[in-house]
Amino acid sequence: EVQLLESGGGLVEPGGSLRLSCAASGFTFSHYAMSWVRQAPGKGLDWISTISGSGRSTYYADSVKGRFTISRDTSKKTLYLQMNNLRAEDTAVYYCAKNDERELCFDYWGPGTLLTVSS
Amino acid sequence: QSVLTQPPSVSAAPGQRVTISCSGGSLNIGNNDVSWYQQFPGTAPKLLIYDNNKRPSGIPDRFSGSKSATLAILDITGLQTGDEADYYCGTWDSSLIGAVFGGGTKLTVL
Repeated sequence: EVQLLESGGGLVEPGGSLRLSCAASGFTFSHYAMSWVRQAPGKGLDWISTISGSGRSTYYADSVKGRFTISRDTSKKTLYLQMNNLRAEDTAVYYCAKNDERELCFDYWGPGTLLTVSS
Repeated sequence: QSVLTQPPSVSAAPGQRVTISCSGGSLNIGNNDVSWYQQFPGTAPKLLIYDNNKRPSGIPDRFSGSKSATLAILDITGLQTGDEADYYCGTWDSSLIGAVFGGGTKLTVL
């Protein structure tokens, strides 16, 4: 059974940094691209970033490019999102998602972790 | 403002049929497969339809998807009160080089 579990959310001041983690199990981690998708309170889904199974290719939304870095550790079966220079508009629930084989959709999602950026 | 356009809300009575549209452009829906997600309040999204019209294991055949040119449709028949949720379409955008979602549609089963 595929399981994804995010951690690391919390309250951060504007301009601060935080790293989210997503522990994966139930599938061959290195075979699949992984992504982060966020959802601001009362808003829709917002794709943030995707990393290929090998980790060699990464993609970012313009809204986070240069501030956020996605990475993965195959030995730990863990996905990461390093977030720097945080802004109030980054406040959201952050979901870790597994991409399907063609990397065109998100077939499994974690329960999410809440990030609040506020002074 | 979302790249993909969905109606904010739709409603229908139990047992009836409802469709949710998702409109995009040639570089997203027109060029890539569409997926649909169901989300209940306070929970993570769940994949409902992938590759335009395929259902993951466990998804009832009351849910179906289709795509023509730059328009995708989610069709739900035999509506149940338990179908009340938010529904999102998604695809890859070849211009933005990233995934895009619709703004979401709230389904109310009257």
